Amino acid sequence: DIQMTQSPSSLSASVGDRVTITCRASQGISNSLAWYQQKPGKAPKLLLYAASRLESGVPSRFSGSGSGTDYTLTISSLQPEDFATYYCQQYYSTPPITFGQGTRLEIK
Amino acid sequence: EVQLVESGGGLVQPGGSLRLSCAASGFTVSSNYMSWVRQAPGKGLEWVSVIYSGGSTYYADSVKGRFTISRDNSKNTLYLQMNSLRAEDTAVYYCARDIMDYYGSGSFNDYWGQGTLVTVSS
Repeated sequence: DIQMTQSPSSLSASVGDRVTITCRASQGISNSLAWYQQKPGKAPKLLLYAASRLESGVPSRFSGSGSGTDYTLTISSLQPEDFATYYCQQYYSTPPITFGQGTRLEIK
Repeated sequence: EVQLVESGGGLVQPGGSLRLSCAASGFTVSSNYMSWVRQAPGKGLEWVSVIYSGGSTYYADSVKGRFTISRDNSKNTLYLQMNSLRAEDTAVYYCARDIMDYYGSGSFNDYWGQGTLVTVSS
């Protein structure tokens, strides 16, 4: 199974900050990577897929990049509604789909 | 509009059984891959099972032999039969629709239900 390692596990930031979250796969996943946002008590919400493709309706301040084993999610200018937990997911070698352990983004 | 509504969660004793349902609307369950993903309290997301449109099924090692995924095409509903439940199965269970990544390979989850809580405790 492919293991996904996210970093950091948590971070504090302020409204307007630029934030980057990293996800590393245990082997190459050829951009088969999705990012999800989850708020407390809610289901995950798809943000990006194919590493860099923005899901319809997701604000353009979210972007993704990467290749091979290393991928990043960037939020260009944090908004109050962006404080949440973010997960990466690889779907290159499935089953099983595997998720990163999550990054909790908190208000500084 | 795509909607997924889970039901069937609750409190069950260790060794007991429970069947979760996921009623879908706005699309056809049998034409899609469908997954169950769970989240233990305060923990991350864990994939549990998938059923392909052709009917093939797959399970996480942690539930293999105890859980069964199925669907009822006439009801457009996905199920998860959970037997021999353990304390470590305590989690919110989400059903999710899989969608193919036509830019690469594999499928990811574009729509999720609101989740149903399963608590395994004596």
